[in-house]
Amino acid sequence: DSGVTQTPKHLITATGQRVTLRCSPRSGDLSVYWYQQSLDQGLQFLIQYYNGEERAKGNILERFSAQQFPDLHSELNLSSLELGDSALYFCASSVRSEGTSGRTDTQYFGPGTRLTVL
Amino acid sequence: GIQVEQSPPDLILQEGANSTLRCNFSDSVNNLQWFHQNPWGQLINLFYIPSGTKQNGRLSATTVATERYSLLYISSSQTTDSGVYFCAVAGGTSYGKLTFGQGTILTVHP
Repeated sequence: DSGVTQTPKHLITATGQRVTLRCSPRSGDLSVYWYQQSLDQGLQFLIQYYNGEERAKGNILERFSAQQFPDLHSELNLSSLELGDSALYFCASSVRSEGTSGRTDTQYFGPGTRLTVL
Repeated sequence: GIQVEQSPPDLILQEGANSTLRCNFSDSVNNLQWFHQNPWGQLINLFYIPSGTKQNGRLSATTVATERYSLLYISSSQTTDSGVYFCAVAGGTSYGKLTFGQGTILTVHP
């Protein structure tokens, strides 16, 4: 158990709908990352938050948005869903964004939310 | 951005065999992690190893940062080692954004 929790575990919805995925980081971790794993794209970074502020963005679609709340949990919102959005969505957390000596901290991954768009 | 290449793409072993998985990366890194994705999809941290050598039981890893590669060694493999092994790196001003390789699919037969 990594200490990162994600809900729900599974989500089945229809095209055009909107869903919210939730992530609670490990206790004490300030940084939250979202990743998408699909068959054709592999594991891809979507977005990072650090202590409530957006820190970095990857290839995140405009239909997707995220935020990190004062209690440090994060939500990923996916709207106008398409069949191609079906994927496993992971949240990860780390203590900080940058560590000492220019290193970045270990990221610990949650169990993922499996999204199926029908 | 940084490129990550893993080899071999597939590996089939008999229980008890040893194996070496390789990860090549295209630029200097400030984070390198090895993961095991089990059949249930969970990503399990194996090593945080941007440089040097670490060991954890039957697994060990070495990263030679100056030559831009990392190796994961699995000794005396067990059926529970089956799954996909990913190498992921972060470099430059990526603020921890991990770029993943395509993975090595390991199958261990009893």
